[in-house]
Parts: sequence; C-alpha cells; structure tokens
Amino acid sequence: KQEVTQIPAALSVPEGENLVLNCSFTDSAIYNLQWFRQDPGKGLTSLLLIQSSQREQTSGRLNASLDKSSGRSTLYIAASQPGDSATYLCAVRSNDYKLSFGAGTTVTVRA
Amino acid sequence: ETGVTQSPTHLIKTRGQQVTLRCSSQSGHNTVSWYQQALGQGPQFIFQYYREEENGRGNFPPRFSGLQFPNYSSELNVNALELDDSALYLCASSIDGNYEQYFGPGTRLTVT
Repeated sequence: KQEVTQIPAALSVPEGENLVLNCSFTDSAIYNLQWFRQDPGKGLTSLLLIQSSQREQTSGRLNASLDKSSGRSTLYIAASQPGDSATYLCAVRSNDYKLSFGAGTTVTVRA
Repeated sequence: ETGVTQSPTHLIKTRGQQVTLRCSSQSGHNTVSWYQQALGQGPQFIFQYYREEENGRGNFPPRFSGLQFPNYSSELNVNALELDDSALYLCASSIDGNYEQYFGPGTRLTVT
C-alpha cells in the first residue's frame, strides 16, 4: 500500500523567502507524481506533473524534483508572495492506477 | 475548453438518506475518478471509471457506487448515509488513467 507523507504540516514565511515543501512515498513503483494547490474549501489546482522517468519539472517560480529510488519529491517556490498562501498537496500515481495523496502542507506567506 | 464541473456545490442530508453527486469531465477526457476529502486530510480515492467501466476502487464500502455515461460525465451515489460521510467530494478527469488529473471544485456534503 502506497503511503505518502508531507513534512512540515504547516509553514509560515515572510514575503520574498523561498519555500521548500517535502513529499515522501513508500513504494517507488510509480507512474507519475503530481503537485496540487488547494485554497480553503475549494478544489485542487494542478501545479506540476512529473513522469516517473523525469527528474524535475519547472513552471515559472515553481520547480519540482523527483528522486524515485529514494521515494522523495521536493517542491520549490521562489520569491514567495502572499498569494502563494494555500495548502499544497503531493499525489502519487501508482501502478494500480490509484492516486494517493499526502495530507498537505499549509503555507502562510506574511506580507 | 470547459473544465471539470460538479453539482451541487453544497448539500445537507440526514443520516440514512441517499445522495447523488454529479460530475462533467473536461472536454476530450475519458476517465473520471472520485475522491473523498475529510477536513484537514488529503483526498482518498473512491473509484475510477474508464469508458463507462469501473477499473479501480479504493477502500470504500459497496454503498458507494457510481456510473459513467457515454459522454463521460459521471455520478457518485452514496446509500445509507452516515455522519462520517460528511466531506468534500472531488471529481477529477483525465485522458486515460495515468495522465494529468484535472479536478472540479467539489461538492461539500454535510450529513446530520
């Protein structure tokens, strides 16, 4: 059974600081890993998708890395802004087609 | 291009009742997955439909059932509602099961 863990559970930083969000998973047999953003009470917005054969993906200020052998992914957000305040979820697509989520990291960026 | 839509946005039901939630997938997507997200937790996989057939299921009892229609829209039905069924129900669509998932805004279900 795939277990996904996100540390820390919550993070508060001043505006302009870089954010580092961690995700670990127990079974390295994955198809892909996806990072999402969720605003309170809302649905999920896809940020980045990394295929199992890739090491990283970049989109604007966001960069996500994947180390499948060690079961880790890291999401970097450069030069954080108050609008980046949200919960960030990591999800792993395993060989049984199921998407397994972590509990998320809640980020607060202070102006 | 229309994104994933869900209806209703909110609803309140009484324990023991039945509920149907609806999802319209993004144009061109043939796979729909349903998730349950309790407060403060990550979404939990309920099941997935691919071309009108269920092809994956999480650890949810049979009173959670679904359908996918020829236009790839989908329904989630929950019978004999329990208080613990109170959650945000999310629908996601994709082009085949292993591609990028696109989520709808969710339906907030409250069971009293």
